[in-house]
Amino acid sequence: GESVGLHLPTLSVQEGDNSIINCAYSNSASDYFIWYKQESGKGPQFIIDIRSNMDKRQGQRVTVLLNKTVKHLSLQIAATQPGDSAVYFCAENLPGGGNKLTFGTGTQLKVEL
Amino acid sequence: GAVVSQHPSRVICKSGTSVKIECRSLDFQATTMFWYRQFPKQSLMLMATSNEGSKATYEQGVEKDKFLINHASLTLSTLTVTSAHPEDSSFYICSASRGGSSNQPQHFGDGTRLSIL
Repeated sequence: GESVGLHLPTLSVQEGDNSIINCAYSNSASDYFIWYKQESGKGPQFIIDIRSNMDKRQGQRVTVLLNKTVKHLSLQIAATQPGDSAVYFCAENLPGGGNKLTFGTGTQLKVEL
Repeated sequence: GAVVSQHPSRVICKSGTSVKIECRSLDFQATTMFWYRQFPKQSLMLMATSNEGSKATYEQGVEKDKFLINHASLTLSTLTVTSAHPEDSSFYICSASRGGSSNQPQHFGDGTRLSIL
């Protein structure tokens, strides 16, 4: 059933601008982090991952930053395009957890023309 | 690589019906598959972890007799919602990860929209 009144945090950006999506993770022992993109009616799509021994990783138009001190993860999207409009989730993995992930609450990214 | 196929994409059925959802890894062997449930505008909630050849591990609060999981091969896991009722209506998503080492990303299917009348 649907939970009335819930809504996702929304980030609105102009096409061509850079987007920064933030995530606070819960467990200081987590050692692997992933960003996923979910379009309406579809499953999450892998974007980029980072291990806890790194603080930055870059992909094509995307950069993930990890700050273990404050348990913060961010996803930066350069030159945001209309096709980037989606819900973005961060996920964390605990060591010994058998690749089991805990997902964040998600952020809706809206790209305005 | 890492394509996961989920079938069917949408099911509408009467209350009391049992519904089976299939999850297949098409181009890799998946030692572990995961089943999630997602309500509108919410995050993914893990229901169970499915390991090939062994019993699934269910999350707290998920009824194992209600949500039957079978992982008979390295490329196929099934979720059966038994005697479904309107409150079981949701978006069910599976994922699969390669075996062999930790810190492997999960790759997701495109979900099954289940609507119970």
